[in-house]
Amino acid sequence: DVKVTQSSRYLVKRTGEKVFLECVQDMDHENMFWYRQDPGLGLRLIYFSYDVKMKEKGDIPEGYSVSREKKERFSLILESASTNQTSMYLCASSEAAGQGVSDGYTFGSGTRLTVV
Amino acid sequence: AQSVAQPEDQVNVAEGNPLTVKCTYSVSGNPYLFWYVQYPNRGLQFLLKYITGDNLVKGSYGFEAEFNKSQTSFHLKKPSALVSDSALYFCAVRDLSGGYNKLIFGAGTRLAVHP
Repeated sequence: DVKVTQSSRYLVKRTGEKVFLECVQDMDHENMFWYRQDPGLGLRLIYFSYDVKMKEKGDIPEGYSVSREKKERFSLILESASTNQTSMYLCASSEAAGQGVSDGYTFGSGTRLTVV
Repeated sequence: AQSVAQPEDQVNVAEGNPLTVKCTYSVSGNPYLFWYVQYPNRGLQFLLKYITGDNLVKGSYGFEAEFNKSQTSFHLKKPSALVSDSALYFCAVRDLSGGYNKLIFGAGTRLAVHP
């Protein structure tokens, strides 16, 4: 069964810590995405990557960075965690544009991060 | 710019009754539309998609969606709701701007099915 795996389901970190959220996909997808989900705001795109070592800012990149050293792995980094980054973080992957009919995204199970 | 709107924050339905979760879209070109469902503390799961062809699309768990081009809508429906259908539902449209395959999501609609 193909899937997207996020390394942690729940995470509690202290303000100011550097936080790494890991995501691995086994579908050989070109695109990978990080979203945060907050009540009433839906899913907001933080960063995405369309190839190894390539990245693009989404709608809310401030306070975050990403790393994609291998095709299957996409990491989200909170450089200095703050309480307003407490949220549910969702990773997803998809085929590249133009590769035929797409089923949209495949999502990981999410990481619920609490910053205290 | 592509966008989707889900006008209802919450939909309440009695078990056994039909349900509708609304979605309208705004796109340039032909729309690729999706519905996803999210159960508590889980990621989003694909339900169904519209790419082209028949306006009535059938998906997982007995759900279907009706594409209406003139009303720019893609409402999710089910003839008989189950308590287990209670979840958060997201409509999405594919955005190919910049040559990237991205999805733009609505804010989500919480479906509550009461026994």
